[in-house]
Amino acid sequence: GQNIDQPTEMTATEGAIVQINCTYQTSGFNGLFWYQQHAGEAPTFLSYNVLDGLEEKGRFSSFLSRSKGYSYLLLKELQMKDSASYLCAVTDYKLSFGAGTTVTVRA
Amino acid sequence: DVKVTQSSRYLVKRTGEKVFLECVQDMDHENMFWYRQDPGLGLRLIYFSYDVKMKEKGDIPEGYSVSREKKERFSLILESASTNQTSMYLCASSLTQGENQPQHFGDGTRLSIL
Repeated sequence: GQNIDQPTEMTATEGAIVQINCTYQTSGFNGLFWYQQHAGEAPTFLSYNVLDGLEEKGRFSSFLSRSKGYSYLLLKELQMKDSASYLCAVTDYKLSFGAGTTVTVRA
Repeated sequence: DVKVTQSSRYLVKRTGEKVFLECVQDMDHENMFWYRQDPGLGLRLIYFSYDVKMKEKGDIPEGYSVSREKKERFSLILESASTNQTSMYLCASSLTQGENQPQHFGDGTRLSIL
């Protein structure tokens, strides 16, 4: 089975940096996804990591350590529109999601 | 852009009714998925399909069935709706069976069973 943990909520100030951690214990692992979901909307793909290390995409970066069962999503230069839930998901032959982290950005 | 369309945004049904949730994708994706999303539990996989007429159980298939008669359409069926099936239902699709293929989600159907 899959056990995926991430914090429930985080709050940060506009312009700041926030790091969302995700730890997993899984029977199989073929990669880790991060999705963003605004309230009342569909989740949208942010990043995919399969090898250890950091993947950078503009203001968003994602890190993976397979030996530690650990990933984080780094959001830099926070904007109000970044207020959303962020979902960590691990794939073997199907995708298993964590419960999501709700990030609130304050002015 | 991939478009995944779910037939209803909001649906209210009664206990014991047979309920159909429809999902259509327009990008010739091989894989389609049905999830439910509940507060504190995240997205949980109900059923998925890698090909027409093919289906596999996800983590919580009890009380549900699916149908995939055409590649672009994947239907979720609640055989006899119960109040514990009140939830947000999300459909998704992905291009191929490769593990690095991101899933594209529909806007969801908020289903209430009274």
